[in-house]
Amino acid sequence: SQQGEEDPQALSIQEGENATMNCSYKTSINNLQWYRQNSGRGLVHLILIRSNEREKHSGRLRVTLDTSKKSSSLLITASRAADTASYFCATVFQGAQKLVFGQGTRLTINP
Amino acid sequence: ETGVTQTPRHLVMGMTNKKSLKCEQHLGHNAMYWYKQSAKKPLELMFVYSLEERVENNSVPSRFSPECPNSSHLFLHLHTLQPEDSALYLCASSTTGVRDEKLFFGSGTQLSVL
Repeated sequence: SQQGEEDPQALSIQEGENATMNCSYKTSINNLQWYRQNSGRGLVHLILIRSNEREKHSGRLRVTLDTSKKSSSLLITASRAADTASYFCATVFQGAQKLVFGQGTRLTINP
Repeated sequence: ETGVTQTPRHLVMGMTNKKSLKCEQHLGHNAMYWYKQSAKKPLELMFVYSLEERVENNSVPSRFSPECPNSSHLFLHLHTLQPEDSALYLCASSTTGVRDEKLFFGSGTQLSVL
């Protein structure tokens, strides 16, 4: 399948620790996006990183993109209980017409 | 709030019922989407409308019928559904429908088919 694949599928850490999630994909992309979903709710866009960018920051979020390895990572620093959610990467593959989502990483922040 | 409102939040229906899901966006966007999210499966794109014209239909069964009367409203009409159609149905919008735009999602309708 062309979709991005997140790793790990589930991650549980203590509040205050950093959380790192990875996304791998198989074909060339134009950009890659990260979304967050709280349980049973809609997805919220976090960051979009273009194929010619290597790193992007937004508050406590840091996203990297390595097109040679076809992978991206999302780092959440100084995690909080409110960061508990599922995180998805989404990509539009070159030549494709739609955004394709991975299966997500379920992140749990323990107080 | 994201500016995309979905109603109802929860829906339980029998296989012979007819119901509709509603989505409204207040962002001035020109593209709207329906996604299906089942347990342990990736989000599945169902339909895309751009400027009220359907531009994508991902082999969705005919028991799902979308309607986009204007760029702010999107409906998903449901009839004779199957239990496997139980899922979270998410509506989203984007500025123009260009393929790599960021999407703004509603909170979804949790559908249970009995």
